[in-house]
Amino acid sequence: GQNIDQPTEMTATEGAIVQINCTYQTSGFNGLFWYQQHAGEAPTFLSYNVLDGLEEKGRFSSFLSRSKGYSYLLLKELQMKDSASYLCAVLDSNYQLIWGAGTKLIIKP
Amino acid sequence: IAGITQAPTSQILAAGRRMTLRCTQDMRHNAMYWYRQDLGLGLRLIHYSNTAGTTGKGEVPDGYSVSRANTDDFPLTLASAVPSQTSVYFCASSDSPTDTQYFGPGTRLTVL
Repeated sequence: GQNIDQPTEMTATEGAIVQINCTYQTSGFNGLFWYQQHAGEAPTFLSYNVLDGLEEKGRFSSFLSRSKGYSYLLLKELQMKDSASYLCAVLDSNYQLIWGAGTKLIIKP
Repeated sequence: IAGITQAPTSQILAAGRRMTLRCTQDMRHNAMYWYRQDLGLGLRLIHYSNTAGTTGKGEVPDGYSVSRANTDDFPLTLASAVPSQTSVYFCASSDSPTDTQYFGPGTRLTVL
């Protein structure tokens, strides 16, 4: 079966750095997406990786290792508004997104 | 309209009733999707459409139907609602199946 694993919840301090991991086992791989979802709102796109390596976009970076079936999202200089759930999703061989259950990130002052 | 809109925002429905959730996008995206999101689970694909006039089944299609008569609209119908269909429903669209998906605000549906 297809599986995406992420930690259920993480806590970090304002101004710090946090890394959210995602491991996947899917039928085929056509890219990995990270989305942010604030409580009661829709998911919004953060990043996309299809090749191995690091993609940096402002305070957020995303890393992919296809051989290890592993990705992480790195958030720097954390702000209170970063409190949200972070969703990892893999585009499988049928070009359908398989989603993890999400990681709830709690930022403390 | 800017992006994707969904209606209604929320609905309480008696079991056995028929219900259509509406989704409209103005981005001229070819592909559209319906997901449900339940606590503790990832988003699950119900149905999708890669282009107007075509539809396909996702991971959890039973009890739901869709149509794609034009590019902009992608309604989701529950023919006879059951309590297990209580969920938050998100519509999304993308330029193609390999492109980034953009989500509507969601419909919170409760079936009693």
